[in-house]
Amino acid sequence: GDSVTQMEGPVTLSEEAFLTINCTYTATGYPSLFWYVQYPGEGLQLLLKATKADDKGSNKGFEATYRKETTSFHLEKGSVQVSDSAVYFCALSGGSNYKLTFGKGTLLTVNP
Amino acid sequence: EADIYQTPRYLVIGTGKKITLECSQTMGHDKMYWYQQDPGMELHLIHYSYGVNSTEKGDLSSESTVSRIRTEHFPLTLESARPSHTSQYLCASSEYEGETDTQYFGPGTRLTVL
Repeated sequence: GDSVTQMEGPVTLSEEAFLTINCTYTATGYPSLFWYVQYPGEGLQLLLKATKADDKGSNKGFEATYRKETTSFHLEKGSVQVSDSAVYFCALSGGSNYKLTFGKGTLLTVNP
Repeated sequence: EADIYQTPRYLVIGTGKKITLECSQTMGHDKMYWYQQDPGMELHLIHYSYGVNSTEKGDLSSESTVSRIRTEHFPLTLESARPSHTSQYLCASSEYEGETDTQYFGPGTRLTVL
């Protein structure tokens, strides 16, 4: 079945550092890929998405490129801020059942 | 983006009580979902619905039940709460946009059963 493996945390960075959170997937067919962010005490917010190979999703300085050859969708940001501290989830949606398969989440803490 | 509301945001109750967690969305989405999030952050789909009078069990077995009598409303009920039900419950709805079905989440209900 479908699965998502993402980088184990926690990840701790200093402000203005470069961020990469790795995400790889296993799926049949051509899934859509997502990154969600969860701030403390809140629900999940859609951060970005990509629907086909070589698509790049971007939002709020975050980027991720759908790489079919490596089955990856790594999240990157050039300069993190304290306000980016949150849990990040990689997810895929495959087939016609509309269900999301999530990774286990990566906790990011950014220190001033 | 969808507006999804969950009430209550926090609930502390005793064992054996019946509870209903409310979820409403104002965007007319047909598809709605309930997730349980464990303390380790992992998300588990426990129920979903593709429209009025449609409900299905998710990937994680749950003692809760759901109903979908109106498009905008998808409540979750526990007939007799137990400490093992202590968790964060997240509701979501989805629509087809940008070549894919995209889920939007409510703020969650944090349930503690004593």
